[in-house]
Amino acid sequence: DSGVTQTPKHLITATGQRVTLRCSPRSGDLSVYWYQQSLDQGLQFLIHYYNGEERAKGNILERFSAQQFPDLHSELNLSSLELGDSALYFCASSVPDSILYNEQFFGPGTRLTVL
Amino acid sequence: QQQVKQSPQSLIVQKGGISIINCAYENTAFDYFPWYQQFPGKGPALLIAIRPDVSEKKEGRFTISFNKSAKQFSLHIMDSQPGDSATYFCAASMHSGAGSYQLTFGKGTKLSVIP
Repeated sequence: DSGVTQTPKHLITATGQRVTLRCSPRSGDLSVYWYQQSLDQGLQFLIHYYNGEERAKGNILERFSAQQFPDLHSELNLSSLELGDSALYFCASSVPDSILYNEQFFGPGTRLTVL
Repeated sequence: QQQVKQSPQSLIVQKGGISIINCAYENTAFDYFPWYQQFPGKGPALLIAIRPDVSEKKEGRFTISFNKSAKQFSLHIMDSQPGDSATYFCAASMHSGAGSYQLTFGKGTKLSVIP
């Protein structure tokens, strides 16, 4: 158990809908990274938040957005869903440390199915 | 553009044998190279990691070999056990500014250890 929690575990929805995925980082971790895992694209970085501020964006669609709240939990919002958005979504937390090179610990993921 | 190339895609090893998974990277700015292990239905779990100033790192049965000049690194699993059967991902990260260290993953290797 990494100490990172994600809810819900599974999500089934229809095209055009909007969903929110939630992530709680390990106690003390300030960073939350979001990744998407699909069969064709593999694991891809979406977005990074540190202590409430957006720090980096990767291959994140404009239909997707995220935020990190004062209690450090983060939410990934996916809107106007398409069939191709079906994937596993992981968050990972870390404490940035220039010596430890930022180890990232992943949550159990949310499996999104868009029908 | 795939920045981290991983091979093989799948690997079958007999119990007690050595499993070897290879990765190559293109971006010389990468400065942290972790390996993750993922079981079905679970999130990736950090297994072992190395920095480019070290040529080898060993933790138990797991060893990373790193060749900076060739831009290659590999994971060796000694005395492979059926419980090691999982998908293994190599990854690389670098400081991308603003304190972000997002991971770039290889496509994964599905390891099966047969009794």
